[in-house]
Amino acid sequence: NAGVTQTPKFQVLKTGQSMTLQCAQDMNHNSMYWYRQDPGMGLRLIYYSASEGTTDKGEVPNGYNVSRLNKREFSLRLESAAPSQTSVYFCASSEVTRRGRTSGSTDTQYFGPGTRLTVL
Amino acid sequence: AQSVTQLGSHVSVSEGALVLLRCNYSSSVPPYLFWYVQYPNQGLQLLLKYTSAATLVKGINGFEAEFKKSETSFHLTKPSAHMSDAAEYFCAVRGPGEYGGSQGNLIFGKGTKLSVKP
Repeated sequence: NAGVTQTPKFQVLKTGQSMTLQCAQDMNHNSMYWYRQDPGMGLRLIYYSASEGTTDKGEVPNGYNVSRLNKREFSLRLESAAPSQTSVYFCASSEVTRRGRTSGSTDTQYFGPGTRLTVL
Repeated sequence: AQSVTQLGSHVSVSEGALVLLRCNYSSSVPPYLFWYVQYPNQGLQLLLKYTSAATLVKGINGFEAEFKKSETSFHLTKPSAHMSDAAEYFCAVRGPGEYGGSQGNLIFGKGTKLSVKP
């Protein structure tokens, strides 16, 4: 059981280049999330997907797009990278049942190891 | 809307001393509260969570936190710090909401870096 996996671990881009960050989970969770972490800012939500086929914007969605490919996979795309997008990106997943209520420990968000992205 | 404030971006304690990391929250509904730990160059790991069952919550690695509604606080404590506790700690809040609604997402504090001196 690998949990949440992310690829790549590190990436350096030039301004204007595009790339896709991949995330997969093997816990059969409905909900998946993309966060960015910047020094002194904590984690900020970029996009989330409450279920397969749905995505919604979080706090900082500008410059990003997402795809919920299937229940397991949730990718984050930077179409034209900018230096302001230099950050550490985390994917997470959780099981959130109907009406936001959860049972037992299933509302916990499980995080991947992160992708360190530098945009020059 | 929910929000979290962590008091002190850096906390330093001596090994064996009490660890106290402060978290205050704002929520218009009964909150779910979480503490996560992040070790260097790693992802976040859940330490403990409050989901209204009990006000004193015990977590992993000897940490615990007490939910105090009157003070809107959820401070994290450990009686005796260990060198391996050096990490960054994040408090987060989630308000119960409709399925798929933004109220179901976590709002994180800015984090507190804990240093442990020998």
